[in-house]
Amino acid sequence: DSGVTQTPKHLITATGQRVTLRCSPRSGDLSVYWYQQSLDQGLQFLIQYYNGEERAKGNILERFSAQQFPDLHSELNLSSLELGDSALYFCASSVQFQGSVYEQYFGPGTRLTVT
Amino acid sequence: GENVEQHPSTLSVQEGDSAVIKCTYSDSASNYFPWYKQELGKRPQLIIDIRSNVGEKKDQRIAVTLNKTAKHFSLHITETQPEDSAVYFCAASIRKAAGNKLTFGGGTRVLVKP
Repeated sequence: DSGVTQTPKHLITATGQRVTLRCSPRSGDLSVYWYQQSLDQGLQFLIQYYNGEERAKGNILERFSAQQFPDLHSELNLSSLELGDSALYFCASSVQFQGSVYEQYFGPGTRLTVT
Repeated sequence: GENVEQHPSTLSVQEGDSAVIKCTYSDSASNYFPWYKQELGKRPQLIIDIRSNVGEKKDQRIAVTLNKTAKHFSLHITETQPEDSAVYFCAASIRKAAGNKLTFGGGTRVLVKP
C-alpha cells in the first residue's frame, strides 16, 4: 500500500458523459500528479499540482481538467467522454521542495470504461 | 520534450537467470531515473531509482546503472524468481521548480519461467 488513495476503483459510463475521479495523496505530500494508462499509449503524464497550484501540464485534453483542494486532495474531471478515454487513471504523490525531485508513489488507479 | 525508449518489449527468462532491461532518454537535462514494477491490474510500484550524480545503485537482487554520456540506463535483476514476472517501466524526470513529471518508457513484460 503506497498511502495514496483513489476513488472510485471502477467507473462505467456512456459517451458524452462527465465523470470525476478523486485522489488523496500520502500524508505530508504536497504534489499530486495524474497519469493515464491505455494499451496503445502506455503511461502518459496529464497534469501536476503542488500545494493547490498547477505546476506542469502534459498532453491533457481540453475536455479534461483538474484541481487540488486546500486539504491537498485532487480531482480529475473528464467531460464529453469518448470511447478512446477508456483507460486506467493513476494519481501519484510526492514531497517537493524548491524544485528538488522526489519519489512519486502511485495510487491503485481508477479504471474508466466508456461505452 | 523528453522521449524515453525501452527495450526489449518482452523478456522471457528461466528462473535463476538474470534479466536486463535497457532505456535511453533524449533530454540531457534529465536527472532522475526511477523504475516501476506493475503487476496485472495493479498500480506501478517504485522498485529502485537513480539520480544523475550516481553511476550505479543496488538493492538486493536489483541494480540500476546510468551512463549520462550515452544517455542510457539499465535495470538488472539477478537470480530471477517467478514473482519477478510483471511489466517493468523505466522513466526519466527533469528537476524543475515548476514541476517534475515522469516520462515513461513503453514497458517490458518479463516472464520468469519456473
